[in-house]
Amino acid sequence: GESVGLHLPTLSVQEGDNSIINCAYSNSASDYFIWYKQESGKGPQFIIDIRSNMDKRQGQRVTVLLNKTVKHLSLQIAATQPGDSAVYFCAEKYLKTIFGAGTRLFVKA
Amino acid sequence: GAVVSQHPSWVICKSGTSVKIECRSLDFQATTMFWYRQFPKQSLMLMATSNEGSKATYEQGVEKDKFLINHASLTLSTLTVTSAHPEDSSFYICSAPDDNTEAFFGQGTRLTVV
Repeated sequence: GESVGLHLPTLSVQEGDNSIINCAYSNSASDYFIWYKQESGKGPQFIIDIRSNMDKRQGQRVTVLLNKTVKHLSLQIAATQPGDSAVYFCAEKYLKTIFGAGTRLFVKA
Repeated sequence: GAVVSQHPSWVICKSGTSVKIECRSLDFQATTMFWYRQFPKQSLMLMATSNEGSKATYEQGVEKDKFLINHASLTLSTLTVTSAHPEDSSFYICSAPDDNTEAFFGQGTRLTVV
């Protein structure tokens, strides 16, 4: 079935620590995955993406890991900063894009 | 990078009136655009896929006669909420894919129906 967001889990980390945000996706046929960051009152902002033929991709301070066996996606943020505080959504795509529930990240100074 | 502009960023309207929201791709052409709705503290829910030159494809449970979509050009899609009611109050967001990705979102429109 489709992932439907009914609540926002929260992750609280200390500034400078690494953050790991997890996501379970629903469609084994999905072949493209994206992580978005959304700040209050704004549209989602693209962070990083990965295609199903890969299991890891790195960007600037961010890494996405894909485990197709268990349909799991994670976003790792290195040296988390206060500006990283936001809601993070994973999204899976096969013909159309379905968003996960989202995780609110709080960064403590 | 590619930019998607959405207008207005917020709107307040009276119950029973209609509201039009515009979504423009500023530096690329988008044959397809997507419209989402987001309620507070919830995820984005896909409402419909807007196709340039043809009818939009609506998700299950979304009333096509209530949420009219027009994709008249390769850079503009509009969503009109007709006969708006308070339960239609929400954050509406559009996106446009570039190079077969869906990486670019508009800034969203906060609709409040009073």
